Amino acid sequence: EPEVTQTPSHQVTQMGQEVILRCVPISNHLYFYWYRQILGQKVEFLVSFYNNEISEKSEIFDDQFSVERPDGSNFTLKIRSTKLEDSAMYLCASVDPKRNTIYFGEGSWLTVV
Amino acid sequence: AQKVTQAQTEISVVEKEDVTLDCVYETRDTTYYLFWYKQPPSGELVFLIRRNSFDEQNEISGRYSWNFQKSTSSFNFTITASQVVDSAVYFCALSDYTGGATNKLIFGTGTLLAVQP
Repeated sequence: EPEVTQTPSHQVTQMGQEVILRCVPISNHLYFYWYRQILGQKVEFLVSFYNNEISEKSEIFDDQFSVERPDGSNFTLKIRSTKLEDSAMYLCASVDPKRNTIYFGEGSWLTVV
Repeated sequence: AQKVTQAQTEISVVEKEDVTLDCVYETRDTTYYLFWYKQPPSGELVFLIRRNSFDEQNEISGRYSWNFQKSTSSFNFTITASQVVDSAVYFCALSDYTGGATNKLIFGTGTLLAVQP
């Protein structure tokens, strides 16, 4: 079974620091997503990415956030200046449109102190 | 606007009991997808089922079954003869139909199921 892999699995960072979360989607997938889950709360959509550009983003995805696919395999989420409320699990997903299936990674837990 | 409501925050059952997790959704679309995901303590989201709005047939997969009622906008999930390994948070989700799986998911708040031995 193909997998979406995410690194790091856990990261603790100080408020105001930049954080980059990495995702390796399944090869040949073309659609990529970031979701966020604050501890004990629901999973929320952040951004979708297709054809090397953002196709949709939520209100949460403000100017502090950015995504890119720097090398054709990694898909990164950057938080420029972290805030305490950015503490959450960040889930990456990729989609195989032919099989109409969404694959989620295991998530990256971010704690901002 | 699309919305998914899981009114049950936590459910606790004893092993071998049957349990039903409720999901009610709101959408103006006439066609859409509904999903259930399981989130064990390790955190990953495990896909359980996707159902399109055209198909109201109930589905059974082993101890799992799903009851889709378009008339009441509900997509309930039943676990028969629950086991300790079923303990997890279960999320119901909704997405647009056009574009298939490429659409974003709108999740409910989840139901924490605790199965006691």
